[in-house]
Amino acid sequence: EVHLVESGGGLVQPGGSLRLSCAASGFTFSTYWVNWVRQAPGKGLEWVANINQDGSEKSYVDSVKGRFTISRDNPKNSLYLQMNSLRAEDTAVYYCARGWKIFDPWGQGTLVTVSS
Amino acid sequence: QSALTQPASVSGSPGQSITVSCTGTSSDIGGYNYVSWYQQHPGKVPKLIIYDVNDRPSGVSNRFSGSKSGNTASLTISGLQAEDEADYYCSSYRSSGTRVFGGGTKVTVL
Repeated sequence: EVHLVESGGGLVQPGGSLRLSCAASGFTFSTYWVNWVRQAPGKGLEWVANINQDGSEKSYVDSVKGRFTISRDNPKNSLYLQMNSLRAEDTAVYYCARGWKIFDPWGQGTLVTVSS
Repeated sequence: QSALTQPASVSGSPGQSITVSCTGTSSDIGGYNYVSWYQQHPGKVPKLIIYDVNDRPSGVSNRFSGSKSGNTASLTISGLQAEDEADYYCSSYRSSGTRVFGGGTKVTVL
């Protein structure tokens, strides 16, 4: 069964950093694009970033460019999101999701709270 | 990078059909057949229900269907059931290489 499990969320002060991880299983991770999607409390979904199979192509939503970095380690079947200069508006549940033109499946999400 | 436009809410009685619209631009919905739809029940993870405008993943009810005209995509739920009450999000590929979601529509079964 295809499985994605996020970790690394928590409480961080404004301006701080956090690194999220997503562990993949049940499929050949190295052959898929993968994404980070976030959802602020009580709000809608927002696509954050994606990365291609070998890590040579990356895209970001404008609001995180220069602050967030997406990466992957195919031998470890893992996806990462390095988040720097965090702001209150980055508070959200962060999901990893497999796919290039679709998001399927999704992990259960990890909550990031940016607050002093 | 503005979001796609969806109505905040749509409602219908059991057995009825409802349609949720999703409006973008020629740089996303109008330019590509890469529109997908997701269903999210409260406290749950989003679930893919439509991809490539009008295709359904295996296991998704055929009461869900999708279409597109110009810069607007639509999700139709026929034979509305109580279990369909949820939030629905559209998504599209964008010419910049990024992806974009709609703001979400709350579907209420009266």
